[in-house]
Amino acid sequence: EPEVTQTPSHQVTQMGQEVILRCVPISNHLYFYWYRQILGQKVEFLVSFYNNEISEKSEIFDDQFSVERPDGSNFTLKIRSTKLEDSAMYFCASSELGGGQPQHFGDGTRLSIL
Amino acid sequence: GENVEQHPSTLSVQEGDSAVIKCTYSDSASNYFPWYKQELGKRPQLIIDIRSNVGEKKDQRIAVTLNKTAKHFSLHITETQPEDSAVYFCAARIDTDKLIFGTGTRLQVFP
Repeated sequence: EPEVTQTPSHQVTQMGQEVILRCVPISNHLYFYWYRQILGQKVEFLVSFYNNEISEKSEIFDDQFSVERPDGSNFTLKIRSTKLEDSAMYFCASSELGGGQPQHFGDGTRLSIL
Repeated sequence: GENVEQHPSTLSVQEGDSAVIKCTYSDSASNYFPWYKQELGKRPQLIIDIRSNVGEKKDQRIAVTLNKTAKHFSLHITETQPEDSAVYFCAARIDTDKLIFGTGTRLQVFP
């Protein structure tokens, strides 16, 4: 069964540094998402992406965040200047179509800011 | 604003018993309701979903019911097994693609 893959599985970074989290969505999927989950808390929406542009973003997704689809397979989340409160598990998800179509999640990247 | 409430936060059952987890959503325009199972340190895994034009959906031991009038939806797991132990999240989608998640229910099934 096709899966969403994410790298790295764990990223440790000094506060103020830039990080790039990488995702390879399922190949025939057109809609891509980033969510985050602070330890022990619920999953929170960050951003949705379709047709090479952001469809929607949450209040969390401020100017420090950006997303990109640099080629036909990768989907990245960049945090420009990390803060301690950015420490969380970041999940990439994709769906074949938008609307009420299932979103399939990757295994996540655990981001630890020191 | 958009909100999904989920209860209970923890649920312990004996193997073979049923488990029910309930969610309430705030936006009446919500039209898609997935349930995810998350084992410790793993990805949220979609286990069942329901759309607003359906009142109930079943897949083997799991079922979801939706009451649009009351803005409630519930997950029912019958004949629970120890491997059902995990955190379960409900979610709701409104007009856009984003999912609003509930706060999660930690289900423990004791042998």
